[in-house]
Amino acid sequence: QQQVKQSPQSLIVQKGGISIINCAYENTAFDYFPWYQQFPGKGPALLIAIRPDVSEKKEGRFTISFNKSAKQFSLHIMDSQPGDSATYFCAATKDDKIIFGKGTRLHILP
Amino acid sequence: SQTIHQWPATLVQPVGSPLSLECTVEGTSNPNLYWYRQAAGRGLQLLFYSVGIGQISSEVPQNLSASRPQDRQFILSSKKLLLSDSGFYLCAWSVLKEKLFFGSGTQLSVL
Repeated sequence: QQQVKQSPQSLIVQKGGISIINCAYENTAFDYFPWYQQFPGKGPALLIAIRPDVSEKKEGRFTISFNKSAKQFSLHIMDSQPGDSATYFCAATKDDKIIFGKGTRLHILP
Repeated sequence: SQTIHQWPATLVQPVGSPLSLECTVEGTSNPNLYWYRQAAGRGLQLLFYSVGIGQISSEVPQNLSASRPQDRQFILSSKKLLLSDSGFYLCAWSVLKEKLFFGSGTQLSVL
């Protein structure tokens, strides 16, 4: 059973464009929603996160939008740069369990 | 500062052979510890997590097992590897559940 559904699987964006990755969850008990960024051959690293009592969080060029009623959240990368090319994972947390989506491979064209 | 060590970086094993992957954390006490497997098209799959010594929660019933013999040591094992066990294995730790710190991973190929 896939508890966190992530789309798209891959994404190609022109340099300077906006990259948007979407996630949906099923369990309303999840109480923390992080995004992780992974470069090839490395472990993922926390990028940005949000709690369900907030509808939006922005850190630099990265923004999370959260829709509690729809059980959906998304990552927006503004002014996308070639250095943003990586795999992005959304996740949802309940107690000590952290469940990840399947990931989105993002490629920014120079 | 906290660091996480995971080894080996790469491993090639024949089908039916045993497996032992070790992960240790330095610079923190009583961390939550996690094993994830990353396979193509399946993202990061939670295998096991532990909130304390000897406390293991299994998420995926399979031929893998985990143990936590010491506070900052987490071991992933198998008695007989299957082809489907191939993948990129990641150990991670957290003190608060809000941030996972991942190791550098082990690329396991079962042939």
